[in-house]
Amino acid sequence: GNSVTQMEGPVTLSEEAFLTINCTYTATGYPSLFWYVQYPGEGLQLLLKATKADDKGSNKGFEATYRKETTSFHLEKGSVQVSDSAVYFCALREGTGRRALTFGSGTRLQVQP
Amino acid sequence: GAGVSQSPRYKVAKRGQDVALRCDPISGHVSLFWYQQALGQGPEFLTYFQNEAQLDKSGLPSDRFFAERPEGSVSTLKIQRTQQEDSAVYLCASSLARLAGSYNEQFFGPGTRLTVL
Repeated sequence: GNSVTQMEGPVTLSEEAFLTINCTYTATGYPSLFWYVQYPGEGLQLLLKATKADDKGSNKGFEATYRKETTSFHLEKGSVQVSDSAVYFCALREGTGRRALTFGSGTRLQVQP
Repeated sequence: GAGVSQSPRYKVAKRGQDVALRCDPISGHVSLFWYQQALGQGPEFLTYFQNEAQLDKSGLPSDRFFAERPEGSVSTLKIQRTQQEDSAVYLCASSLARLAGSYNEQFFGPGTRLTVL
C-alpha cells in the first residue's frame, strides 16, 4: 500500500536558519506529491505540489523536488521566519486515478526569534 | 461561502452515543472527502464523494461509520455507538475535480474535534 514517512519533530530553528524536512514515500505507479501546512488554529493548506519526476514545487520561499530515484520529496527553505512556525505534512496521491491523499504524520517546526 | 465549513467545531459524546458531523463544501465543488486525524498523526482517508455518489469508502474503519451527501452538496458523517478510539479530529475537504485523471486542490475545513468519554 501507499505510505509517507516524515522526519519526526519538533524541529526548532532560529530565525533565518536553513530548513530541511525529509519526506520519503512508497506508492503504486507515479504519484503526485504535496506539502500541506497547518498554522496554529487554522485548517490544512496546500503549500506546494509536484506531479511528475524532477518537478520542483515552490511557494512562499519553500521548495521541494520530486526525486523518483530516491522516492523523496524533501521540503527546504533558505531562511525561515517566526511566521513559518507550523506543522508540515507531506502527502501523496496515487497515479492510478484514486483521489484520496495519503499523509505522513507531520513535522512541527518552531522558529525562535 | 469563502471556504469549507464544518459543524460543530467541538463535540463531546459519551461512549455508546451516536454523533453526526456536518460539512459544507465550497459552492460548486464536485468532490468531497472525509479524513480522520488522530492526535499527533496525519489525516487518514475515510471516504470520497463525487456529487451525491459515494465512490470510495475504503477508509471507513467499521460499519459504525456512515457518510452521506444526498443532494451533492452538504455531507454528514455519522458515527453510531461511539467508542473511545473514535476520538479524533474529523476533517472535510472539497475540490473541483471532475475528470478521473485530473488534479484539483483539496481545500480543507477546520475540522470537528470529537472526544468520546
